Amino acid sequence: GAVVSQHPSRVICKSGTSVKIECRSLDFQATTMFWYRQFPKQSLMLMATSNEGSKATYEQGVEKDKFLINHASLTLSTLTVTSAHPEDSSFYICSAIYRVTTDTQYFGPGTRLTVL
Amino acid sequence: AQSVTQLDSQVPVFEEAPVELRCNYSSSVSVYLFWYVQYPNQGLQLLLKYLSGSTLVESINGFEAEFNKSQTSFHLRKPSVHISDTAEYFCAVTPGAAGNKLTFGGGTRVLVKP
Repeated sequence: GAVVSQHPSRVICKSGTSVKIECRSLDFQATTMFWYRQFPKQSLMLMATSNEGSKATYEQGVEKDKFLINHASLTLSTLTVTSAHPEDSSFYICSAIYRVTTDTQYFGPGTRLTVL
Repeated sequence: AQSVTQLDSQVPVFEEAPVELRCNYSSSVSVYLFWYVQYPNQGLQLLLKYLSGSTLVESINGFEAEFNKSQTSFHLRKPSVHISDTAEYFCAVTPGAAGNKLTFGGGTRVLVKP
């Protein structure tokens, strides 16, 4: 149980285009989802917290207009990287909190974004 | 606010030898503690967690961690490692009942050699 998926697993796009990444909780309802960014050989950096039906809460230094987050249902959150640039290339990971027990985050497999 | 320090960025170890990954934290409130494992190009998998109760927690694949409140530590151990344990290990905390935002340590890369 507590499986989280992400789609796509890898994406390559041209500079200036927008890319959407989906995060789904497959077998549970997620009240809260989180989006992280991970640079090579580094730890995870929290970008934003997303609650179903409300606006995301962004961490300091994260541009909300560049990284659009939508949490339209209890099983789906999306991250859209708008007008992507090479410096946005990174590994993006989402996680979800199980509605009943809120103490543990379950992570998706990650999405590797490469901007040319 | 919380912070997590993983003292070793990289730990080489021979197969079937024991390994210990150190994790220390600081917090003004009681915390929940977690160890996650990340295999190359994958997301994080929960290895084990401490919420309350017995200070020694175990995972299904032979890892264990002990919560030591006085030393603010949550070190991870395995008595005999396998090649398949080669991965990145992250220690993390949340502010317990006060919230669920994870603060991660810098990670420890375990390289198991034959």
